[in-house]
Parts: sequence; C-alpha cells; structure tokens
Amino acid sequence: DQQVKQNSPSLSVQEGRISILNCDYTNSMFDYFLWYKKYPAEGPTFLISISSIKDKNEDGRFTVFLNKSAKHLSLHIVPSQPGDSAVYFCAAGAGSYQLTFGKGTKLSVIP
Amino acid sequence: DAGVIQSPRHEVTEMGQEVTLRCKPISGHNSLFWYRQTMMRGLELLIYFNNNVPIDDSGMPEDRFSAKMPNASFSTLKIQPSEPRDSAVYFCASSRAGAKNIQYFGAGTRLSVL
Repeated sequence: DQQVKQNSPSLSVQEGRISILNCDYTNSMFDYFLWYKKYPAEGPTFLISISSIKDKNEDGRFTVFLNKSAKHLSLHIVPSQPGDSAVYFCAAGAGSYQLTFGKGTKLSVIP
Repeated sequence: DAGVIQSPRHEVTEMGQEVTLRCKPISGHNSLFWYRQTMMRGLELLIYFNNNVPIDDSGMPEDRFSAKMPNASFSTLKIQPSEPRDSAVYFCASSRAGAKNIQYFGAGTRLSVL
C-alpha cells in the first residue's frame, strides 16, 4: 500500500505560469516532507523541505504548502521555466532516517 | 565537494552472473542508503547503513541481494545470481547525522540483466 501518492503522472504548463504539483500521504506519523527533482540519467536532487510544525516554506520560485488535516502537500513553482522540466518526487519521513517516496510527476514547461 | 559517486553507470549482464554495484558517499556523511527504481514500484529503499552498520535491510528483495559497507567511504550492493527482473536503476544516497536530514543521491547505475 502506497503511503505517499502522487496521483498525476504528468503535468504540462506554459512558461511563466504557475506549476502546482500535488502529493497525498496516509501515514499520520510522517513529520517532515521533501521534494526532489530528477533530470534524465541523473539522481534525484533535493529541492525544498517542510516540517510538520509549519504549513508553508518558501525558497525563491519554489513554495511548499502542507495541509496536515488533509494529509496533503503541494509544490508551487512560480514562474515556471523550461529548465524546470523534470520529474518531481515527493518524500516523507517519520522521525527516522528513512524516507518514503512517491512515484513522481513529470513536469513539462512549454516555452 | 564531490557528490555521491556510483560505478558503473551502466551494467549489462546475462542471467545468472554476479553483479556488483559500488558507491562512495559524501565525505562526512554517516548514513548510506541503497534504493532501486522501477516503473512499477517507483523508488524503493533496499538497505540503510548508519556508521557502516546495516540498520534496516527489510527492503532487500531476497537472499540473492547483499550489501556491505567495509568503511565510511565505500559500499557495495551485490546480486548473485542476477535475474532479468533485477533490471532497474539502482541509486545510492548519503546523509549527515541526525534525523530529518537531506539525502544526497548519486547518478545511479542502470542495470540490464538479459
């Protein structure tokens, strides 16, 4: 049973618009969440994280929102750029070293 | 600083052969993780080491898989004998001490078992 779900396998967005990637989780013990970005033939690279004591974290064009009651988090990219085209993975941890990953959403930013 | 280094980048082998994947974590990181990525199952944790000691190997699929970390700067994942269903991308990641720390991934090894 998937504890971290990314229900949209792919997303296309026009350059300059907002990209919103969604992630749902089922384990209420998760207390921190991360987003990773992955380009083809490379490993995932860390993008942004959020602790369960917060509901928002911002880093430049990237903002992560956490809704604990809904067990939902989202990544907003504003404005989207062609270089943002990649697969984005949501990951969650429960106070240990281990992370549980979603299956990823492929973002395509169209020039 | 160099990131996590994995070798080889690509491995093609025949069923029944032994395969050894290698990983050099980031210097100063004391946690090391081996993951496997497939289309069907996504990114799965195989085994986790802390201070060179295997802490959780519950993700290792079967006895054909084994992992070692003889020192803080080197780890191996071995498959013997290999099977076509082992074909996947294998990632190694490392992180610093303490919970909630970011894992840094290598570029991965793409394994094809024919």
